[in-house]
Amino acid sequence: AQSVTQLGSHVSVSEGALVLLRCNYSSSVPPYLFWYVQYPNQGLQLLLKYTTGATLVKGINGFEAEFKKSETSFHLTKPSAHMSDAAEYFCAVSKNFGNEKLTFGTGTRLTIIP
Amino acid sequence: DAGVTQSPTHLIKTRGQHVTLRCSPISGHKSVSWYQQVLGQGPQFIFQYYEKEERGRGNFPDRFSARQFPNYSSELNVNALLLGDSALYLCASSPDGGAGTDTQYFGPGTRLTVL
Repeated sequence: AQSVTQLGSHVSVSEGALVLLRCNYSSSVPPYLFWYVQYPNQGLQLLLKYTTGATLVKGINGFEAEFKKSETSFHLTKPSAHMSDAAEYFCAVSKNFGNEKLTFGTGTRLTIIP
Repeated sequence: DAGVTQSPTHLIKTRGQHVTLRCSPISGHKSVSWYQQVLGQGPQFIFQYYEKEERGRGNFPDRFSARQFPNYSSELNVNALLLGDSALYLCASSPDGGAGTDTQYFGPGTRLTVL
């Protein structure tokens, strides 16, 4: 079985400060890992994903995440927060090949302080 | 190209009623998945369909059913609605349901309220 744990249901950062959203996973097989963002009253938008290869993954809107197998982590970072980054962020895991079922974490609501 | 579309956007039903939610995938996408997102939680997997065949089913009661049509659009049906079925129902499509590297593209969802 696979699962993800997102530490911190709410995170507040000042505009221009570093954004760090934490995600730890549990998987019995090599995982595929994803970060999605959800703006109010909208669906989910893919920020980035890790499948194989380079462990540092760059996504849209300046976000990146690093897959650390030894720590079973896939934390999301952005060097400088913008007001437009305020949203709900979800980490998700899936098995590789043949199964696209995504297992999501409970989400982290990011608030940007002007 | 149009993204994933879902209808209706909002729906209000009473307990015991039946509801049908609809999803049109991105053109060329053959796989459709359904997720339930209860307020304050992450989405939970309900079904995946690929080429009109059920490929996966989450831990939901038999009141939930789905199907996929020859044009790859899909319907999610829920019978005997309960208050706990109130949620945002998300549809996602991907090109090929067999490859783990596929990206799932989500629609805006249908907000179901059960009174």
